Amino acid sequence: DTGVSQNPRHKITKRGQNVTFRCDPISEHNRLYWYRQTLGQGPEFLTYFQNEAQLEKSRLLSDRFSAERPKGSFSTLEIQRTEQGDSAMYLCASSFPRTGHTGELFFGEGSRLTVL
Amino acid sequence: AQSVTQLDSQVPVFEEAPVELRCNYSSSVSVYLFWYVQYPNQGLQLLLKYLSGSTLVKSINGFEAEFNKSQTSFHLRKPSVHISDTAEYFCAVSKGETSGSRLTFGEGTQLTVNP
Repeated sequence: DTGVSQNPRHKITKRGQNVTFRCDPISEHNRLYWYRQTLGQGPEFLTYFQNEAQLEKSRLLSDRFSAERPKGSFSTLEIQRTEQGDSAMYLCASSFPRTGHTGELFFGEGSRLTVL
Repeated sequence: AQSVTQLDSQVPVFEEAPVELRCNYSSSVSVYLFWYVQYPNQGLQLLLKYLSGSTLVKSINGFEAEFNKSQTSFHLRKPSVHISDTAEYFCAVSKGETSGSRLTFGEGTQLTVNP
């Protein structure tokens, strides 16, 4: 499978715990995006990387959220001290260098977080 | 800031009937427009896109969308739907490189095709 891979697919945690999601983009893609999707809503932009540089963060990304892409390949999204409002599907997407500027993204299947 | 409005949250239709999923956007600058589709238990997939040129764009599975600048719309149409078209459809806009190519999505339209 050469698509965007996300792990874990499902995570159930108790409020206050930390969680980490991993995204492996398509290998030749240099841009990587994180989005969040809550029930009944469209995906909302969280942050994006070009290679290892994090170029933009949404105001949705509170201080409890941190994302990294240490070697410009896979990325992790960590949520500290989870709250029930963090329950959502976290989507990762990546794009080719030559078409990324037009917004054509390849999405993974998402990581669903449930905070009890 | 740009925004996207999908006017119908759910559209039920019978198989072989025509369908239109409506999308309006607001932006102070030129945008690129997209329709993404999410089949059950799958990730979002690009269905079609408008970048420039002809305002009518088509997908390989019979969908088409027309960019209407004056009405700021990008409605998705298909003349005859199949059961397999049942999915959630998201309209999205991008300002291109000026915004890092991030997408702003609408809230989605659930298309359900009934036999």
